[in-house]
Amino acid sequence: NAGVMQNPRHLVRRRGQEARLRCSPMKGHSHVYWYRQLPEEGLKFMVYLQKENIIDESGMPKERFSAEFPKEGPSILRIQQVVRGDSAAYFCASSPLPDAGRETQYFGPGTRLLVL
Amino acid sequence: RKEVEQDPGPFNVPEGATVAFNCTYSNSASQSFFWYRQDCRKEPKLLMSVYSSGNEDGRFTAQLNRASQYISLLIRDSKLSDSATYLCVVKEGYNFNKFYFGSGTKLNVKP
Repeated sequence: NAGVMQNPRHLVRRRGQEARLRCSPMKGHSHVYWYRQLPEEGLKFMVYLQKENIIDESGMPKERFSAEFPKEGPSILRIQQVVRGDSAAYFCASSPLPDAGRETQYFGPGTRLLVL
Repeated sequence: RKEVEQDPGPFNVPEGATVAFNCTYSNSASQSFFWYRQDCRKEPKLLMSVYSSGNEDGRFTAQLNRASQYISLLIRDSKLSDSATYLCVVKEGYNFNKFYFGSGTKLNVKP
């Protein structure tokens, strides 16, 4: 019964390169969320997706960041032309379809991005 | 105004102490409530859901006060292993699940 899977666990990029972070939700979960956490700070919501649909991207920076959750395969968070300020832990979480109201999120182990 | 507010702490307590955290939320239509625990450099993990009637899980007790829009977490007989950041989480939405996280309350349990 695999939980939420994220890869890579650690990613090093030079300024100007692209970073691709992948997330596979728990089995049976159709909703995926991405969060960013800077050192010593709280979780910041970025985007909420269903398969082939972005539900809420109010936390996504306007430029360089994009996310998708295709019909097949994992969800991808893509950061183009990375800058040092993008260095952070990026957590993915998944939840099942809304049903009884008590559904909650389960988190993956995170991807730690370091931009040199 | 933040959706969910918590005292950031840190709360420094000796082993065996009882400690309580509070959390307030702004949307009276919020549906569900949870406490998560996050250890340093790890992902948040669900500690417990919070039900209207209050609920207990071993040394942990969670309470919900809808009228005042706050949630509490009580930890009895603190252990060194309880040291972590505790996140208050509020869920909204009926056709979708939207979660709001507090910034977390840091707990340090000292020997």
